[in-house]
Amino acid sequence: DSGVTQTPKHLITATGQRVTLRCSPRSGDLSVYWYQQSLDQGLQFLIQYYNGEERAKGNILERFSAQQFPDLHSELNLSSLELGDSALYFCASSVEGMGLSGNTIYFGEGSWLTVV
Amino acid sequence: GENVEQHPSTLSVQEGDSAVIKCTYSDSASNYFPWYKQELGKRPQLIIDIRSNVGEKKDQRIAVTLNKTAKHFSLHITETQPEDSAVYFCAASMKQAGTALIFGKGTTLSVSS
Repeated sequence: DSGVTQTPKHLITATGQRVTLRCSPRSGDLSVYWYQQSLDQGLQFLIQYYNGEERAKGNILERFSAQQFPDLHSELNLSSLELGDSALYFCASSVEGMGLSGNTIYFGEGSWLTVV
Repeated sequence: GENVEQHPSTLSVQEGDSAVIKCTYSDSASNYFPWYKQELGKRPQLIIDIRSNVGEKKDQRIAVTLNKTAKHFSLHITETQPEDSAVYFCAASMKQAGTALIFGKGTTLSVSS
């Protein structure tokens, strides 16, 4: 158990719909990262939050957004869903978030999203 | 943009053989290079990491080497066992990604007994 908690574990929804994935980081971690893993794809970095503020953006679509709340949990919102959005979405966390110090990132178990 | 390339994409070895996976990165400012193992349907788990001030690190049957000049690093697994079968991802810190890690596309390692 990494200490990173994600809900829901599985989600099936229809095209055009909107879903919210939730993540609680490890105790004491200030940074939260979201990654997308599609079939035959690696781990695509979407976005990072550090202590409530957006820190870095990766390949996140405009239809997707995220936020980190004062209690440090984070939510990833996916809207106008398309079939191609079906993937495993991982949340990860780390202690550090500022500077290029080299972070060990711990992953949650992921949320399986299926768009039908 | 900045990226990490990983080879090979698949690797099949016999139990007891060694396995080597190689990665190259583009950002000369990268200073942290972890390796993750992901079993089917599970989360990626850190197995070993190396920082830019170290050329080699070993942990039992696993070792990682780093060549900063050439911007490449490798994972070496010796005396492979069937339970080593999994997908292995290399990653690198990238300045434009904050403190996030940028991952290679993964290597599916199959160890047959």
